[in-house]
Amino acid sequence: QSALTQPPSASGSPGQSVTISCTGTDNDIGAYDYVSWYQQLPGKVPKLIIYDVIKRPSGVPDRFSASKSGNTASLTVSGLQPGDEADYYCCSYGGSSNWVFGGGTRVTV
Amino acid sequence: EVRLVESGGGLVQPGRSLRLSCAASGTNIEDYAMLWVRQPPGKGLEWVSIISWNGGTTHYADSVRGRFVVSRDNANNLMFLQMNGLRPEDTALYYCTKVLCSGGTCYAGAFDVWGQGTFVTVSS
Repeated sequence: QSALTQPPSASGSPGQSVTISCTGTDNDIGAYDYVSWYQQLPGKVPKLIIYDVIKRPSGVPDRFSASKSGNTASLTVSGLQPGDEADYYCCSYGGSSNWVFGGGTRVTV
Repeated sequence: EVRLVESGGGLVQPGRSLRLSCAASGTNIEDYAMLWVRQPPGKGLEWVSIISWNGGTTHYADSVRGRFVVSRDNANNLMFLQMNGLRPEDTALYYCTKVLCSGGTCYAGAFDVWGQGTFVTVSS
């Protein structure tokens, strides 16, 4: 159950886009389409922003999009806003009813 | 509005036990699988445990298996985490969360409602 690998930080200017990668293995991201992404604003609880690799829950703006290729999932935040400054975590099913999170990426706008 | 509220955290010595509770309101938790996720101070999220809707199936992260036990009381809309043999590395904010279900379908890995967390400190 090794953590998924995310870059520790990413940044972009307002209005620009930033893409965060999340690398796993053949046993988690590469094997299942159960990748989700969570946004954690400073001092707040995690918020689900993507599930099933590409789906957005109701209320999440379409500025947040995601994809997966092989063992790597990606989250793109377009039209960056100051309010997007947060930690972003990926999560994948790892088989045998186990779940694994990434180490988190701090996005700075 | 669905709310989850954790309680039971505190300061405990290594080797001792603690029982966390998660109380739900605004929904019947019997419709959902529920989970515990923890976050050590200044660090990332770590999945701890998951329990099926009826409590019949439970799974644990390697780091807590054999020490932690998850259970639920659907009649009272509660979930619990019994933590035994606590270690300093168990120090964290413990969140309870639920699986997203919509239109009769539940989405594995989509944890859509989170409590505010309860802090557990393991130290002598």
